[in-house]
Amino acid sequence: QVQLVQSGAEVKNPGASVKVSCKASGYTFTAYYMHWVRQAPGQGLEWMGRINPNSGGTNYAQKFQGRVTMTRDTSISTAYMELSSLRSDDTALYYCASEARPSSWGQGTLVTVSS
Amino acid sequence: DIQMTQSPSSLSASVGDRVTITCQASQDISNNLNWYQQKPGKAPKLLIYDASNLETGVPSRFSGSGSGTHFTFTISSLQPEDIATYYCQQYHNLPYTFGQGTKLESK
Repeated sequence: QVQLVQSGAEVKNPGASVKVSCKASGYTFTAYYMHWVRQAPGQGLEWMGRINPNSGGTNYAQKFQGRVTMTRDTSISTAYMELSSLRSDDTALYYCASEARPSSWGQGTLVTVSS
Repeated sequence: DIQMTQSPSSLSASVGDRVTITCQASQDISNNLNWYQQKPGKAPKLLIYDASNLETGVPSRFSGSGSGTHFTFTISSLQPEDIATYYCQQYHNLPYTFGQGTKLESK
């Protein structure tokens, strides 16, 4: 079955960067877009962007342009999301989600930005 | 960006009730709409795609309808395990945007 397993929780200082990984299994990794969505504590869902694992092409939400980089390593079926210049309001759960069917999301990675 | 407006933002219902949530898009999105269920501490779960198609394994008491700018999500007979927050999401145009969510509580 489709499964996405994300890396563990991170605590970062303001101004630092964080890189979250998402390892896919159970389907052809390169055949479906991978999306990244975040959720601040007690808040709703916010789409950050997507990557085409086949070509590496990306689309980012304007809000994150210049601060987010999505990449992938097809040899290990893993997608990455790196967010730089972290601020306190970047504290959130970060999810990866594949367009493969049945739909699957990662378990979420909590990123805490605090000095 | 396309704005998605859900209503209500919260509602209380009893087991067996029919529950309806609406989602309004700021422009025509055809039928490019998902509905998700999210329980506390869990990742969202896709219930409905293409506005009205039930995802594999999702109970038939869940349904969706609509096209263009107005969409409806219905639970025909509320079950205790349906207590959750529900989100719509459009995927007609980038960036893909979510509604603000509807928190469904037990009456």
